[in-house]
Amino acid sequence: GAVVSQHPSRVICKSGTSVKIECRSLDFQATTMFWYRQFPKQSLMLMATSNEGSKATYEQGVEKDKFLINHASLTLSTLTVTSAHPEDSSFYICSARTGQGINQPQHFGDGTRLSIL
Amino acid sequence: GQNIDQPTEMTATEGAIVQINCTYQTSGFNGLFWYQQHAGEAPTFLSYNVLDGLEEKGRFSSFLSRSKGYSYLLLKELQMKDSASYLCAVKSGGSYIPTFGRGTSLIVHP
Repeated sequence: GAVVSQHPSRVICKSGTSVKIECRSLDFQATTMFWYRQFPKQSLMLMATSNEGSKATYEQGVEKDKFLINHASLTLSTLTVTSAHPEDSSFYICSARTGQGINQPQHFGDGTRLSIL
Repeated sequence: GQNIDQPTEMTATEGAIVQINCTYQTSGFNGLFWYQQHAGEAPTFLSYNVLDGLEEKGRFSSFLSRSKGYSYLLLKELQMKDSASYLCAVKSGGSYIPTFGRGTSLIVHP
């Protein structure tokens, strides 16, 4: 089945640090990937849609200068949390779809737990 | 916008059957997903419904009634490993990106 790899799985760093999270589709090409954020016992909140070769589409309320997204190839998207602060601590999850059909489910990476001290 | 409602938590006994409900209010409904998410892990796809009726897949079945804005996930022969959060996600308005509910935390006990 489709595999999405996300790295790192956990990051603990000081306030002010920038953190890069990678999302790779291992056995398929993904022109579109998605970045979500999830607080404890809360829903997955879509942050942005990452498009290969073009700018990401950000959801309302998500700061694009704070959460930089780069989708340089058909198998890799990166999310960089710039100058992270404690309120950015959360579980970040990426996903990708294997096809363009509207019925295609999303395949999720294992998530990155980000803790800012 | 969309409004997706699921119970926050449910408990059930190993070997039993449990039904997790999801109600939604949206315009232009075009599909509903169920995902399973274990604590600290990513969601995994369980089922997809776009037409009314029951979709059965092993121990798990999913039902949809579009007129009622209602779906349920039915889990049979519960196992301890089924303890997880179950997320209902709805697509609407021509978008292929679903909106997720808060999830239902299912606790299976011996």
